[in-house]
Amino acid sequence: QKEVEQDPGPLSVPEGAIVSLNCTYSNSAFQYFMWYRQYSRKGPELLMYTYSSGNKEDGRFTAQVDKSSKYISLFIRDSQPSDSATYLCAMRDRGSTLGRLYFGRGTQLTVWP
Amino acid sequence: DTAVSQTPKYLVTQMGNDKSIKCEQNLGHDTMYWYKQDSKKFLKIMFSYNNKELIINETVPNRFSPKSPDKAHLNLHINSLELGDSAVYFCASSPGTDTQYFGPGTRLTVL
Repeated sequence: QKEVEQDPGPLSVPEGAIVSLNCTYSNSAFQYFMWYRQYSRKGPELLMYTYSSGNKEDGRFTAQVDKSSKYISLFIRDSQPSDSATYLCAMRDRGSTLGRLYFGRGTQLTVWP
Repeated sequence: DTAVSQTPKYLVTQMGNDKSIKCEQNLGHDTMYWYKQDSKKFLKIMFSYNNKELIINETVPNRFSPKSPDKAHLNLHINSLELGDSAVYFCASSPGTDTQYFGPGTRLTVL
């Protein structure tokens, strides 16, 4: 699954750290970008959704999209042990069927107290 | 009041068997999906139905057959199971946007 690349980690940080998670992609037609969070033995849940380039902030989470570099990021401020999960990026191009998402392989994050 | 539910949660079976996984959503969504998540955590779409009509059919062996009896249910039947079918299968539903609501997954192990 080469269209979306994501470092699987694992990433281990102390509580309170700023976490940066990233994905790169090859398809310049991708327009819609998402971050899903998946706790162990659970299904993914949508965390952030952005359209095209720019930043979006929601509480401690900030999503950034740089379409010129084909690079998206998720920042977590003041990380908490409850943030320990796998984070999957997902994206879709404008021409494809609604909901036809391409996922990264996920980055496993552990926040230790 | 589970939104997207799947049964069974775990499935252990022998190669060559036929098995089914059931999915139900009570969110009133029109669109439902089946995904496969392999051991490396890649989440790959298999099928999508909108109002009981197949709209996404990825390159999946024809041993896999989805069935949608109504828009709240999407089942997955797998014939002649192979070792490589071992994975976690997720069902999801959507209200017609990119936001998808996933079930808890069915962990399939083929021996």
